[in-house]
Amino acid sequence: DQQVKQNSPSLSVQEGRISILNCDYTNSMFDYFLWYKKYPAEGPTFLISISSIKDKNEDGRFTVFLNKSAKHLSLHIVPSQPGDSAVYFCAASEETSGSRLTFGEGTQLTVNP
Amino acid sequence: DTEVTQTPKHLVMGMTNKKSLKCEQHMGHRAMYWYKQKAKKPPELMFVYSYEKLSINESVPSRFSPECPNSSLLNLHLHALQPEDSALYLCASSQALGREPYSYEQYFGPGTRLTVT
Repeated sequence: DQQVKQNSPSLSVQEGRISILNCDYTNSMFDYFLWYKKYPAEGPTFLISISSIKDKNEDGRFTVFLNKSAKHLSLHIVPSQPGDSAVYFCAASEETSGSRLTFGEGTQLTVNP
Repeated sequence: DTEVTQTPKHLVMGMTNKKSLKCEQHMGHRAMYWYKQKAKKPPELMFVYSYEKLSINESVPSRFSPECPNSSLLNLHLHALQPEDSALYLCASSQALGREPYSYEQYFGPGTRLTVT
């Protein structure tokens, strides 16, 4: 049973435009959500996170939106840059098992110059 | 400084070899993790150490043996591995578990690319 789902395995956008990566979850106990970015042959890099008490968190070009009623979150990157091309993983955790992150399958983002 | 270092970067070993992977962090984190990642898949949790004690073992075969000598170091000892164990092995660390303010951000190292022949 996959509790965190990223239904789009890939996304392609033009440089300068907005990239929107989506993530859905089924476990209503999740209360903290994270996005990681991964280049080939490297470890995932933490990007941005959001607590379930918020519906938006912004950090520079990256904004994460959380819709708890829909059990949906999204990562917006604007403007997109070619260096943003990577695999993006959504992850979720719950307070009672803060050590265990449940990852989605990832979305390959390609930003074309 | 949010750096987690791992050595070696690449490792090729035979099925009868014994080798070790090493991980180090100097962020004062008291939780450390081992993950395994196959191509085009998300990381899979293997072990969690909290305050140098093993707190989670995700039913990992005994041919993988973790060790946490101190709060900055984490090892993964490998023995009699199988070709299907070939993968990217990632170490991560985070602030102390179960202590407020809760922090779930885990910081990953670059990984060790392991090939078992």
